[in-house]
Formats: sequence, structure tokens, C-alpha cells
Amino acid sequence: NAGVMQNPRHLVRRRGQEARLRCSPMKGHSHVYWYRQLPEEGLKFMVYLQKENIIDESGMPKERFSAEFPKEGPSILRIQQVVRGDSAAYFCASSPPAGGGNEQYFGPGTRLTVT
Amino acid sequence: AQSVSQHNHHVILSEAASLELGCNYSYGGTVNLFWYVQYPGQHLQLLLKYFSGDPLVKGIKGFEAEFIKSKFSFNLRKPSVQWSDTAEYFCAVNGNGGYNKLIFGAGTRLAVHP
Repeated sequence: NAGVMQNPRHLVRRRGQEARLRCSPMKGHSHVYWYRQLPEEGLKFMVYLQKENIIDESGMPKERFSAEFPKEGPSILRIQQVVRGDSAAYFCASSPPAGGGNEQYFGPGTRLTVT
Repeated sequence: AQSVSQHNHHVILSEAASLELGCNYSYGGTVNLFWYVQYPGQHLQLLLKYFSGDPLVKGIKGFEAEFIKSKFSFNLRKPSVQWSDTAEYFCAVNGNGGYNKLIFGAGTRLAVHP
């Protein structure tokens, strides 16, 4: 059973460009979470999605950031007009549907560098 | 406010030394508690978790943690560390029930010298 997959693993963007980060949850998992890890800091929650629904986006910056988890395909975290402060590691986690507990399984992360 | 505090940002030990990493949390209601480990260049892996029951939880690779409700603490311990335990360790908490976001501590970087 493949784990949570994220791509790309490394992404370099110039200021003003768009960054698209993809996350494929574990097989059978229908809940996806995105976290951001800034240098020398712990992971900070960004958004929680189920298929076609955003459940909790309380950690998302109000502008330039969006997330989706369509019926088919991976979850996408999109950052428009990136700035240097967006440089971070972005982790995706997934969890199973009801009855699977609260454990979240993490992907390897995407390291975004904005130049 | 919901928060997790890890007291030590960097810990350096020699092999066979004992380890204890502190974790305190602030969270209203019943909680689930986790310790994750991130080895160099790898993703986060779950070491152990506490949902309910016995407050002394045993995890993988010889790690254990004790939930002390009165102290809002969930310290991680290992009696004898190995060089391969060199990694970053994160304590995390979420609410019991439902699918709640994890609140992470800032992490503790452990370096074990042979």
C-alpha cells in the first residue's frame, strides 16, 4: 500500500510566479490536510479537505493561497504570485474515513524555494 | 489558545545515554497526543500516540511517552539512544473525536554521537 505521495519534491519559483503542489492520499483515505513548515519552526496547519469540500481553512493565508481536492485526482495546493516568505516545506497528510481514528499519515513534503 | 511547547530545541547525547524530551500542551477538552519523528531527508513518521487508557504509551524503536493530565505533559523517553535516533522530534495534539487539525510543537533536534 503506497503511502501519501507528494510532487514535486522540490520546486523553485521566481517571485510573482505560481506554485502548484500535489498530494495523493493513501489508498482508501478521503481526508487530506496541508501543513507548512517554515525554517526552524514546527508544522503549521493550513487547510483540511474532504473530496470536493473544504472543511477547515482557518490556517490558510487570506490571499494568494487556495486548495482543492477534486472528486478525481490529487489534492492541489496553489500559491499565486509567490513571494520569498512562501519559501517553506509543505506537507500533506491523509487520514482514513470514519472509524479509522485520528492518526494522520504524512507525505515526504514539497520544498518550495522562491528566488 | 491551543499550543504545544517543546522545551529543548537542540539536544546532543552520546550513544547509550537516556533521553527525555519535554512536551507541554494547552488545549481545551479531551485530547489525542502524538510524537512524530523526521529523520534527515525523510517525511514525518509516527512514533507513538495516546488516545485514551493507559497513560504510559509504548511506541516503535524503544520509545515511550507518559501522559500526565495534571501537568498537561506528554514527555518522550528512551532509556538508551542509538546513533540512528539522530532526527527531529515533534510533539503534536488534536481534539478527541472528529478529524481535527494537528497542533505541532516547534520540534527538538536530537544529535546522537557514537
